[in-house]
Amino acid sequence: NAGVTQTPKFQVLKTGQSMTLQCAQDMNHEYMSWYRQDPGMGLRLIHYSVGAGITDQGEVPNGYNVSRSTTEDFPLRLLSAAPSQTSVYFCASRPTGYNEQFFGPGTRLTVL
Amino acid sequence: DQQVKQNSPSLSVQEGRISILNCDYTNSMFDYFLWYKKYPAEGPTFLISISSIKDKNEDGRFTVFLNKSAKHLSLHIVPSQPGDSAVYFCAASAGSASKIIFGSGTRLSIRP
Repeated sequence: NAGVTQTPKFQVLKTGQSMTLQCAQDMNHEYMSWYRQDPGMGLRLIHYSVGAGITDQGEVPNGYNVSRSTTEDFPLRLLSAAPSQTSVYFCASRPTGYNEQFFGPGTRLTVL
Repeated sequence: DQQVKQNSPSLSVQEGRISILNCDYTNSMFDYFLWYKKYPAEGPTFLISISSIKDKNEDGRFTVFLNKSAKHLSLHIVPSQPGDSAVYFCAASAGSASKIIFGSGTRLSIRP
């Protein structure tokens, strides 16, 4: 199993550009989530999904969109990037009934 | 409003001694608590967890204590080793299908 994979590893955007951060898992986990890590702020939940077709907002959802068309994939879309979205983004998944999440390696995003 | 708080941004402990990392929470609905460890440029990895029906869980050198009345949990590492130097995140959830909320992290440094 590859576990949780994220692409790209690094990305630089200009203010106003859009992009999609990709996340995939091959463990057939129902639950997937996106976090951002900022200095002094820890890991903050952006959006999460409890299964294909079901998504919900986390603590800091503004400026981000998600969709879950398959169990394996959970992309995170930035519609109009802002410098405040400069961060490291982590995707995570876990099986139904379990609390322990498996994290991907992260995507470091810089918005100029 | 932070629901999970780690008030010590950093902690330095001598090798071989005990490391104690603390975490407080405000949401009384939380019933499952986790600790994650994170090395630089990697995703967080699960370390140990505890259900609210217990007050202690032990796994090798790692022990988590839960004080529900004080809404406080702690992670004890004994003896501390150089490889324990990392950022430690406390996390909590209210039910196995609910979102997981993280604290801001504590950077642990083990000195020789």
